Amino acid sequence: QSALTQPASVSGSPGQSITISCTGTSSDIGGYNFVSWYQQYPGKAPKLMIFEVSNRPSGVSRRFSGSKSDNTASLTISGLQAEDEADYYCSSYTISSTYVFGSGTKVTVL
Amino acid sequence: QVQLVESGGGVVQPGKSLRLSCAASGFPFGNYGVHWVRQAPGKGLEWVAFISFDGNNKYYADSVKGRFTISRDNSKNTVYVQMSSLKTEDAAVYYCAKDGSYHDIDYWGQGTLVTVSS
Repeated sequence: QSALTQPASVSGSPGQSITISCTGTSSDIGGYNFVSWYQQYPGKAPKLMIFEVSNRPSGVSRRFSGSKSDNTASLTISGLQAEDEADYYCSSYTISSTYVFGSGTKVTVL
Repeated sequence: QVQLVESGGGVVQPGKSLRLSCAASGFPFGNYGVHWVRQAPGKGLEWVAFISFDGNNKYYADSVKGRFTISRDNSKNTVYVQMSSLKTEDAAVYYCAKDGSYHDIDYWGQGTLVTVSS
C-alpha cells in the first residue's frame, strides 16, 4: 500500500487560508468516507484534527475544515495562525481493511 | 482522561525480536480497537497494525506482515506487538493509538523508540 500523496510543504501568511491536498485511489480515499487528518508538532504525538472527511473532534478550532472529491481529500486552515505551524498527515481506511497515511505536509506560517 | 503508555523499546540487533507493550487507561478498553503506528526518524507516519476490540480481527501493513504479531489482554488493558526478524528499516518511534468510531485514531501514546543496529 503506497502512501497517499501530499505536497511536501505549504506556506501562508497569518490570517490567510491554505489548503493541503491528499490524493489516493478508488481503493482508499475514493472508496470510503473514512479520511482523517492529524497535526503533529516536532517530537510530539499526532493529534486528530478531522475525522470522517469533514468532522471536527471536540476542542478543535473551526478554522480547520475537511472535504473530499473523488480520490482527493483536502484540509483547509483558515485564518492561519503561528500555532498552526506543524506537520499535517491525512489517513484513509482501505479496501483491504488496513489504513494508509499520507506522505505529510509541513505548514509554515510566514 | 485517556492514556496510552508504550514500553519495551530499545536497541536490538537485526534479525532479533522485541515486544512492545501499550498500557491503556481512562476508557472502556475492551470496547475499542487499537493501532500501532510508527515513524522513522525524520520521516512520516506509517500505519503498522490494528487489533479489534475483542482481538478476533487483526490487520497488518505489508511491510510487517509475517514478522509482527499484534495481540491484546483485555484483563490487563494492554496491547502488545511482537516484532521478529527485525530489519534496520523497522527502526522508528512506535505509537500505540486508540481507534475512534470512524476508522480514525482519536488518542495517541507518546511513543517508544526502537533502534535496530548491530
